[in-house]
Amino acid sequence: AQKVTQAQTEISVVEKEDVTLDCVYETRDTTYYLFWYKQPPSGELVFLIRRNSFDEQNEISGRYSWNFQKSTSSFNFTITASQVVDSAVYFCALSTPGTGANNLFFGTGTRLTVIP
Amino acid sequence: EAGVAQSPRYKIIEKRQSVAFWCNPISGHATLYWYQQILGQGPKLLIQFQNNGVVDDSQLPKDRFSAERLKGVDSTLKIQPAKLEDSAVYLCASSLDQKDTQYFGPGTRLTVL
Repeated sequence: AQKVTQAQTEISVVEKEDVTLDCVYETRDTTYYLFWYKQPPSGELVFLIRRNSFDEQNEISGRYSWNFQKSTSSFNFTITASQVVDSAVYFCALSTPGTGANNLFFGTGTRLTVIP
Repeated sequence: EAGVAQSPRYKIIEKRQSVAFWCNPISGHATLYWYQQILGQGPKLLIQFQNNGVVDDSQLPKDRFSAERLKGVDSTLKIQPAKLEDSAVYLCASSLDQKDTQYFGPGTRLTVL
């Protein structure tokens, strides 16, 4: 069975601080994809990144970076120099498309509040 | 490029009433998904379509929920009759094909009184 755990329910940081959101996943499939989505107060889920299980290279996109470690089944997300606009709920998700279906299994989310 | 469109954005009904939600996916996307997001939780898949066929509806409560995508483009999700526990945000997503990234619409917030 697929499972995603986001142990941090809520995090508050002061603007310009760095913050890391943790994600731990479980799957027996060898081929899988990991995702991060952002859900601002408007409610729409905004896609941030997708990584496949064969690519453990870390990725950086502007102030965002992701650390994928298969050895610890983790896919953590770091925001550098946080801004008020980063305030949102962030979801980590897993899909295992081997069966043909493409169900996204989501964690429970981490609510990030950036204080000005 | 236009994103996933959903309507209505908000709906309030009384229990035992019926309600329908509409979704228009990103143009050219063959795969369409409906998710239910209960307050404080992550979204959970209800049903996945590939063109106008159902790929996965194992989590859809079929005694009260139904969904269709007759022409392989727009989709409608219906609840009949609604229960209090159906209060949630209903999210529609689409992807180019079954193994591609899913892009979400703004959701419909349903309140059942």
